[in-house]
Amino acid sequence: DAGVTQSPTHLIKTRGQQVTLRCSPKSGHDTVSWYQQALGQGPQFIFQYYEEEERQRGNFPDRFSGHQFPNYSSELNVNALLLGDSALYLCASSFMGGGGNIQYFGAGTRLSVL
Amino acid sequence: SQQGEEDPQALSIQEGENATMNCSYKTSINNLQWYRQNSGRGLVHLILIRSNEREKHSGRLRVTLDTSKKSSSLLITASRAADTASYFCATASNDYKLSFGAGTTVTVRA
Repeated sequence: DAGVTQSPTHLIKTRGQQVTLRCSPKSGHDTVSWYQQALGQGPQFIFQYYEEEERQRGNFPDRFSGHQFPNYSSELNVNALLLGDSALYLCASSFMGGGGNIQYFGAGTRLSVL
Repeated sequence: SQQGEEDPQALSIQEGENATMNCSYKTSINNLQWYRQNSGRGLVHLILIRSNEREKHSGRLRVTLDTSKKSSSLLITASRAADTASYFCATASNDYKLSFGAGTTVTVRA
């Protein structure tokens, strides 16, 4: 049973570019959340997708957008990259009917913006 | 902004000793969870305690929750080198998101 998978593992971009990160949820999960983790900090909630719609959004600008596909996989897009967007981006999946909101995390994508 | 704050920021203990870390939060919650992260990789769920529970055990882990003080503690007993990691508390106020603290870095010395 595959867990949450994220791609790519590492990514280097320059300021102003756009990036797309991908996530496949754990088998049986229908909900995907994205988090940004800066070095030495805890993860910050970006947004959550369920039934292909954004259910809730954290305090992130519109440059951050996402999508969920019918197979529950998800993408995170970041436009007009800034140096401050350098971070570990974590995808987490869960089952909406599971209760408690326990989330299973992928290994993350390390984004470096130069 | 972080919902929770962990204390201490860093902890160094000898193998076999107990490790205790604390978490404080600001708003009302449905449950509080603890996660472990090794070397900047993905987080692993350790334990969940609901707002109507006061204490919970799982293996070598013991979690307490005091909703009147908006605080929780995680105790790891008989620590091992493999317990070296960062530990985060996360609060859940609804089904949508987890709000994490900045974490406690635990180093277990052999």
